[in-house]
Amino acid sequence: GENVEQHPSTLSVQEGDSAVIKCTYSDSASNYFPWYKQELGKRPQLIIDIRSNVGEKKDQRIAVTLNKTAKHFSLHITETQPEDSAVYFCAASIVPYSSASKIIFGSGTRLSIRP
Amino acid sequence: NAGVTQTPKFQVLKTGQSMTLQCAQDMNHNSMYWYRQDPGMGLRLIYYSASEGTTDKGEVPNGYNVSRLNKREFSLRLESAAPSQTSVYFCASSEATGTGSTDTQYFGPGTRLTVL
Repeated sequence: GENVEQHPSTLSVQEGDSAVIKCTYSDSASNYFPWYKQELGKRPQLIIDIRSNVGEKKDQRIAVTLNKTAKHFSLHITETQPEDSAVYFCAASIVPYSSASKIIFGSGTRLSIRP
Repeated sequence: NAGVTQTPKFQVLKTGQSMTLQCAQDMNHNSMYWYRQDPGMGLRLIYYSASEGTTDKGEVPNGYNVSRLNKREFSLRLESAAPSQTSVYFCASSEATGTGSTDTQYFGPGTRLTVL
């Protein structure tokens, strides 16, 4: 089955600097790669996603890149702000044989923004 | 719209006790999911339901059962709780159009379960 590995497990950056989180996946058939943000004590929330027919997607200060050949994808956060402090999860979906999207999550990256 | 709701928020059980976690969504979503979240291990899929009347196993189904009661509700049951089931449980739902595409999953607030 699908396996998603995420690095680093913790990341501390100076406010205003950029943060990069990297993930690799094992199933070459995966075609959907969402990123979720989870603040302390809260539920995970989608921040950006990318599909396998797209190499890069950007939304304001957040961007995601996908390299299908190498089976890895990355989250880039520019001009980091204190509210970016949270745990970030990457995920990959196994190609669905039904209408359900069976998503496998990485183990998470705890991002801390230093003032 | 309340989105995805879960009850209870917190629960403490003794080993061997049973309980049911409830989940409901008001977004008319087809698919629903149960995850558990343990420190340092991310979210792991327990069971999911592609549509009303169907359920399938996820990554870690042992020790759990589910019921898709209707389109809105998806419950998770622990028949004989064990300390290894201490975790935070999240329910999620997605529209899941059935075309083979994958849709955003919306999560509930979670249930923090402790088994002594």
